Amino acid sequence: DAKTTQPNSMESNEEEPVHLPCNHSTISGTDYIHWYRQLPSQGPEYVIHGLTSNVNNRMASLAIAEDRKSSTLILHRATLRDAAVYYCILSGQAGTASKLTFGTGTRLQVTL
Amino acid sequence: DGGITQSPKYLFRKEGQNVTLSCEQNLNHDAMYWYRQDPGQGLRLIYYSQIVNDFQKGDIAEGYSVSREKKESFPLTVTSAQKNPTAFYLCASTDQHGQGNYGYTFGSGTRLTVV
Repeated sequence: DAKTTQPNSMESNEEEPVHLPCNHSTISGTDYIHWYRQLPSQGPEYVIHGLTSNVNNRMASLAIAEDRKSSTLILHRATLRDAAVYYCILSGQAGTASKLTFGTGTRLQVTL
Repeated sequence: DGGITQSPKYLFRKEGQNVTLSCEQNLNHDAMYWYRQDPGQGLRLIYYSQIVNDFQKGDIAEGYSVSREKKESFPLTVTSAQKNPTAFYLCASTDQHGQGNYGYTFGSGTRLTVV
């Protein structure tokens, strides 16, 4: 399975944008890039996913490098409720059993 | 509202006992998954199922068993053969046999403690 590399932790001030990086240099052509976040003692929550083009939804934006070897999750205005562990994950190939492989993620701290 | 329900939220087990964790979804999803999470760690895949009456081992299946008799249910049994069962267990589901272009929905987890 292709691996991802994320910083262990990041800090942000409230109401400022946050850019969470992820490296995935061994990504295959059909791997989707998923982002999830997990609050303490809760299950992970889906944030966004994409294949090649940048993606936007109500929670965040996903910027994917042209060579697909890295991506960035963008929270446009961080709030205290965004403090969580963020996981960048590559899914399996379409048409086969897709298993999410979780690393240790990036712990985001948001301060006033 | 549709979602995944895991029960119980907290579970205590004596050493040597089997225990079954419940996972029910009303999302009409095809694929379901069980993950284990230890403190400060990421999630590790135990078992997964793409369709009813079919399931495959994940990365850490030893000491666990599952069944998939109904589309909406995927119970996990932690057997006495699992040497270190204390952990946070998470169930997830996704549509279309688990193909990579669909998001996953997770339950709120069951925290199992061996006493």
